[in-house]
Parts: sequence; C-alpha cells; structure tokens
Amino acid sequence: SQKIEQNSEALNIQEGKTATLTCNYTNYSPAYLQWYRQDPGRGPVFLLLIRENEKEKRKERLKVTFDTTLKQSLFHITASQPADSATYLCALRSGSARQLTFGSGTQLTVLP
Amino acid sequence: EAEVAQSPRYKITEKSQAVAFWCDPISGHATLYWYRQILGQGPELLVQFQDESVVDDSQLPKDRFSAERLKGVDSTLKIQPAELGDSAMYLCASSANTPGLAGGPRTDTQYFGPGTRLTVL
Repeated sequence: SQKIEQNSEALNIQEGKTATLTCNYTNYSPAYLQWYRQDPGRGPVFLLLIRENEKEKRKERLKVTFDTTLKQSLFHITASQPADSATYLCALRSGSARQLTFGSGTQLTVLP
Repeated sequence: EAEVAQSPRYKITEKSQAVAFWCDPISGHATLYWYRQILGQGPELLVQFQDESVVDDSQLPKDRFSAERLKGVDSTLKIQPAELGDSAMYLCASSANTPGLAGGPRTDTQYFGPGTRLTVL
C-alpha cells in the first residue's frame, strides 16, 4: 500500500544549527513533492515544491532535496531560529492522481 | 495579501446534531478542497471541487457528510448527524490552475484557511 513517513518523533535542535527533516515514501511515483509549514491551530502554509526531475531546490535558508531512487526527500533549515519552530508536512502528488497526499508531519522545536 | 476565509473558527456540538462550515477561497481560484485533520496527523482530503463540480469525493463519508459549491465560489461542508469521531480540524484550501511543465500534471500549490476546530460531545 502507499505510505508517506516523516520523522516519527519530534525534533529539537539548538538555535543556529541546521535542522534536517525526512520524508520517505513507498509505492508512489510522485510527479512532485511539496513541503508545508503548520503552526498550532493554523492551516498549513506552502514553502517549496520540487519536481521528480529536480535534485535540489533552495529558498533563502531552506533547501529541499529529492532522491527518487531512495524514495526520499530531505528538508533543511540552515541557521535555524526559534521562529522556525512548527510542524513541517511533506505532500506528494503522483502523475496519475488528482490529489496531494500529506504525511503526518514532523514537529520541530528550535531552542534559544 | 489574499487569504482563504473560513467560519466559524471553533464549533462545539453534541452528537447527532447538524453542523455546517463555510469557506471563501482566494478570488479567482477555481479549485477548492476540504480536508479533515486529526491531531498529530496530516490533512486528509474529503472533497475537491473544480469550479462548481465535484472532481473527487472518494474519501467523503456520504452517509453523513455533504459539500456544495453552487456558484463555483464559496463552499459549505455539512455534517448531519455529527458523531464523536468527527472531532477534528476542518481545513479549506484553494489553488489556481497552474499548468504543468511539458504536459506534466498541474502543480497545485494550495493556500489553506485557518480551519474550523470541531468538538463533538
């Protein structure tokens, strides 16, 4: 069956360090993958999109990699700040599907 | 900056009662989505509209849930009767129809509203 897995446990890191979040998938052939940020009690906010033929995307302090052989995407936040504390969701869309499918998210806490 | 509007933000109801949620997408966005998100999980699609037409409601429990988007703009999601297991955050999102590259699928960057937190007692 199709499955999307993100870091099952919450991630705590020290301010200034690089946070790395993982999104693994099975039985998908994703056309693209997206990362969203969600704060408590709020809706998700789109951050980055990476297509199946792209290896890496960057936006300011954010970097996403996509390895279709490993079936994995890594999401990096460099020079992390306490304001980066949130839940980060990955979402996949297969070429044949109409919809995005979301992972369960990873809760990140950046400690001052 | 344009936003997706939802109301109410919070709703407490007793089981077997009817509840309704309203969503106003970003102006010009043809695609509208309703999601349910249980605490600690990712959003799960309930129904997707393209203009006024339903394009995917395969995960909508149709015995108690209904959704409409009569004029292809705002939308209402209804639950009747509500059950204890319906307690969750109900999220609305909208997206523009952005063509894919070289004939590939559209990149549906979705813009979410603040959600409605439903508690069924």
